[in-house]
Amino acid sequence: NAGVMQNPRHLVRRRGQEARLRCSPMKGHSHVYWYRQLPEEGLKFMVYLQKENIIDESGMPKERFSAEFPKEGPSILRIQQVVRGDSAAYFCASSPLGLDNEQFFGPGTRLTVL
Amino acid sequence: GNSVTQMEGPVTLSEEAFLTINCTYTATGYPSLFWYVQYPGEGLQLLLKATKADDKGSNKGFEATYRKETTSFHLEKGSVQVSDSAVYFCALISGNQFYFGTGTSLTVIP
Repeated sequence: NAGVMQNPRHLVRRRGQEARLRCSPMKGHSHVYWYRQLPEEGLKFMVYLQKENIIDESGMPKERFSAEFPKEGPSILRIQQVVRGDSAAYFCASSPLGLDNEQFFGPGTRLTVL
Repeated sequence: GNSVTQMEGPVTLSEEAFLTINCTYTATGYPSLFWYVQYPGEGLQLLLKATKADDKGSNKGFEATYRKETTSFHLEKGSVQVSDSAVYFCALISGNQFYFGTGTSLTVIP
């Protein structure tokens, strides 16, 4: 059973471009979570999704950031008009049930904004 | 609000030394508590967890006890190895969210 997959592993964008980060949860997992890890900081919750639904997006910046988890295909975290402050590692996690269960993390996507 | 506070690192120990990484939390209700480990270049892996007061989580020689009276979940290991070098995150679940500490970097030298 493959683990959580994220791609790309490294992404370089210039200011003003769009960044699309993909996450394929483990097989059988219908709950997906996105986290951001800024340099020298811990993980910060961004958004919690189930298939076709956003359950909790209280950690997402109000502008430029969006997330989806369609019925088919991976979950996508989209950052429009990136700025240097968006440079960070973005981790996706999945779980088979809701919270209070172990979350399985992907290897992360390291975004660098030039 | 909910939060997790970890001791700041980095921590450097010699092989076979005793390890303690302090973690205290603030939460409403009775959260579940977790320790995750992140090896270089990888995602987080669950190390251990405890779901109620006085529970002890253990794995790979690591232990942590859920102390409600002191709101703590300190991570301990009696004899660390070089392969334990990683970043350790304390976390809790409350409501719909995981709350992580800032992480403690551990380096074990031979």
